[in-house]
Amino acid sequence: DTAVSQTPKYLVTQMGNDKSIKCEQNLGHDTMYWYKQDSKKFLKIMFSYNNKELIINETVPNRFSPKSPDKAHLNLHINSLELGDSAVYFCASSRMGNTEAFFGQGTRLTVV
Amino acid sequence: GESVGLHLPTLSVQEGDNSIINCAYSNSASDYFIWYKQESGKGPQFIIDIRSNMDKRQGQRVTVLLNKTVKHLSLQIAATQPGDSAVYFCAENNWEEAAGNKLTFGGGTRVLVKP
Repeated sequence: DTAVSQTPKYLVTQMGNDKSIKCEQNLGHDTMYWYKQDSKKFLKIMFSYNNKELIINETVPNRFSPKSPDKAHLNLHINSLELGDSAVYFCASSRMGNTEAFFGQGTRLTVV
Repeated sequence: GESVGLHLPTLSVQEGDNSIINCAYSNSASDYFIWYKQESGKGPQFIIDIRSNMDKRQGQRVTVLLNKTVKHLSLQIAATQPGDSAVYFCAENNWEEAAGNKLTFGGGTRVLVKP
């Protein structure tokens, strides 16, 4: 029973394309997140979202947009992909008042 | 294969020995400090946290120490096992009602356990 699941696990695409990564959590958590991990393993938050508010990291280009159809899902849409977008993207979730965040297995995006 | 992350600071430890992983943090106002473990091909996994008003917290085979004077955090792993081989991240956590947990991760340390 996967707690936080992402699809696809690997994504190879050409520059300029538009792609989406899906994320679902079955933990009943109220907040979901997207993180980006670069080639040096550095993890940085991109977005956090609960049913009230989307908080965007100001350094994230507006080509990236999260979309949440319901509390259990937070998908990541990326427009006009660039080479520098190549990274591993992690979805995560947590419960309000609890410090523990649960991460998915990641989506390795390669832009060629 | 995993060709990235090879330039991470690396701690090589003999199986059965104790490991100490260190981390310097920047934000004195953080609510919690947390250690995460990331195995190859997987997402980070919560290990243990410590509230900012504490100095020490123990878990199963792990102990986290917080020195607020010098902004230093450490993770001690007792009797290190092969399954402990992973990249370890410290993180500062700040809770915001709107945003939830805002985790700011450090750079990571790779632990290699030698049999």
